[in-house]
Amino acid sequence: NAGVTQTPKFQVLKTGQSMTLQCAQDMNHEYMSWYRQDPGMGLRLIHYSVGAGITDQGEVPNGYNVSRSTTEDFPLRLLSAAPSQTSVYFCASSPQTGAISGYTFGSGTRLTVV
Amino acid sequence: ILNVEQSPQSLHVQEGDSTNFTCSFPSSNFYALHWYRWETAKSPEALFVMTLNGDEKKKGRISATLNTKEGYSYLYIKGSQPEDSATYLCARNTGNQFYFGTGTSLTVIP
Repeated sequence: NAGVTQTPKFQVLKTGQSMTLQCAQDMNHEYMSWYRQDPGMGLRLIHYSVGAGITDQGEVPNGYNVSRSTTEDFPLRLLSAAPSQTSVYFCASSPQTGAISGYTFGSGTRLTVV
Repeated sequence: ILNVEQSPQSLHVQEGDSTNFTCSFPSSNFYALHWYRWETAKSPEALFVMTLNGDEKKKGRISATLNTKEGYSYLYIKGSQPEDSATYLCARNTGNQFYFGTGTSLTVIP
């Protein structure tokens, strides 16, 4: 049981490039989300999904797109990378919306935009 | 206001000392309060989830309490050990979204 798998672990992008951060979970969790973690800011929600075909914005959605075509996968797309998007990105899932059980987190993707 | 605030930001204690830290959150529209333990170079791991005013949870030497009316939760560590060194995050769950605090970084000195 792999849990939540994020790829890549590290990435360097040039300003203006686009890329997709991958997130997959094998626990049949309905709820998936993306966070970014910046020094002094804590974890901030970018986008979330309550089930396949349904996505919504979090606190800091600008510059990012998501889709949820399957229960397992929730990719995060950076449309045109900017230095302000340099951060550590975490994908997390839980069994259902409003789950009491808490999140299972992926291991994170460290992104640097130069 | 959706802010979750944690204090102190960081804490250094001697091995064997007991310690506690605070998570404050808006008391309106409360759904659940989560505590996570986050070790360096790893991802956060769930410690406790609390939903009811007065809830107390315990896992080994770590325990937590919840006061939803005044909007705070305490995390206690009894007899701190070096392996307890980590950042402890709390998060307010509003149903669809989690709002995280910035964490309390605990260092236990052997």
